[in-house]
Amino acid sequence: AQKITQTQPGMFVQEKEAVTLDCTYDTSDQSYGLFWYKQPSSGEMIFLIYQGSYDEQNATEGRYSLNFQKARKSANLVISASQLGDSAMYFCAMREGDTGRRALTFGSGTRLQVQP
Amino acid sequence: NAGVTQTPKFRVLKTGQSMTLLCAQDMNHEYMYWYRQDPGMGLRLIHYSVGEGTTAKGEVPDGYNVSRLKKQNFLLGLESAAPSQTSVYFCASSYFQRKTQYFGPGTRLLVL
Repeated sequence: AQKITQTQPGMFVQEKEAVTLDCTYDTSDQSYGLFWYKQPSSGEMIFLIYQGSYDEQNATEGRYSLNFQKARKSANLVISASQLGDSAMYFCAMREGDTGRRALTFGSGTRLQVQP
Repeated sequence: NAGVTQTPKFRVLKTGQSMTLLCAQDMNHEYMYWYRQDPGMGLRLIHYSVGEGTTAKGEVPDGYNVSRLKKQNFLLGLESAAPSQTSVYFCASSYFQRKTQYFGPGTRLLVL
């Protein structure tokens, strides 16, 4: 069963505008973590932001914020004031539990294109 | 401090050939992972290690073997390469107590 769902294969946004990338997840664990990674055309995976399941505040990192709605099992990424350099693939990922392998399960990604 | 490095960056194999991908990290991380990324998909876990001398299977382990003889290195082996193993391979590492996984730059493998 797919545990991370990203329903937007591609998104366009105008430079300087805000954009929301959707992510829903499925887990029966009480403790889990949610991540967003950026993958530019050069291919590397760049960590953007993390949200723990017990964190009461939404995570923020500069222009990135994570809109965490636990009851709806959603963890949307909000990028404010988009820049041309934000054009990339964005992956939502989840780590279940606090023990064991602690590996990440990834969604299929959203390709964001920022237009001037 | 190089972070996570992967060798080689790109490789072409013929069906049936073998090769080893090397991942090295200089952050003293306990956990190390191998993922593969196919076109249009997210990363999928092949094998992982929670410490030196230990390895375990992930979601897509068939056709791969791994070894972690030293804490800083995690090797991924393909004994008999198949075209279905054409992919981009990422290595990652993390501390036990930390949440973030740090990724290497990836190895692009083409099996003909």
